[in-house]
Amino acid sequence: DAGVIQSPRHEVTEMGQEVTLRCKPISGHNSLFWYRQTMMRGLELLIYFNNNVPIDDSGMPEDRFSAKMPNASFSTLKIQPSEPRDSAVYFCASSSRVRSGSYNEQFFGPGTRLTVL
Amino acid sequence: KQEVTQIPAALSVPEGENLVLNCSFTDSAIYNLQWFRQDPGKGLTSLLLIQSSQREQTSGRLNASLDKSSGRSTLYIAASQPGDSATYLCAVTHFGNEKLTFGTGTRLTIIP
Repeated sequence: DAGVIQSPRHEVTEMGQEVTLRCKPISGHNSLFWYRQTMMRGLELLIYFNNNVPIDDSGMPEDRFSAKMPNASFSTLKIQPSEPRDSAVYFCASSSRVRSGSYNEQFFGPGTRLTVL
Repeated sequence: KQEVTQIPAALSVPEGENLVLNCSFTDSAIYNLQWFRQDPGKGLTSLLLIQSSQREQTSGRLNASLDKSSGRSTLYIAASQPGDSATYLCAVTHFGNEKLTFGTGTRLTIIP
């Protein structure tokens, strides 16, 4: 299995630009997570989906951030407009949730390192 | 609000020694606990998952224990090797929400 795939691996952009991060979960997994890692705040959940439906988006910083999961094999995290404080590593993870209340191991992608100048 | 703490923040150990990494959480009503390692500039690699009903899990030289009532977990690494050098993170989930709440991490250095 190829594991969780994220693109791009690195993104450098200027303040005010739109940024789109992409994720392909492990085939067969039905839960997908977006996390952000910074030196100041560590790793924090932004949003997660189960069966393509957003379940918890309480970690999304503000309206500039949006996430979609149009199908079971693809998700995007969009920042518009981007700001320097959005600079961080963004991780996507996936897991297989067999039944309600049954949470399994989460597998992480390599991350996207975002720098907003 | 759940808070997960890992002490110490950094640890250096000579090669070959056994060592223990600590993880504490304030809300004991967890569903499961997962240990990860993160190499510099890389993603997270899952090491072990312990369900709240379990006391420990083992994988090779790694053994993770869970004492839910006291809000603690430990990761025991036997016969440490330079390749074990990494940052180790623990994370918990709760009933009703799959999100992981991460600890602050312990940066481990194995000295050859």
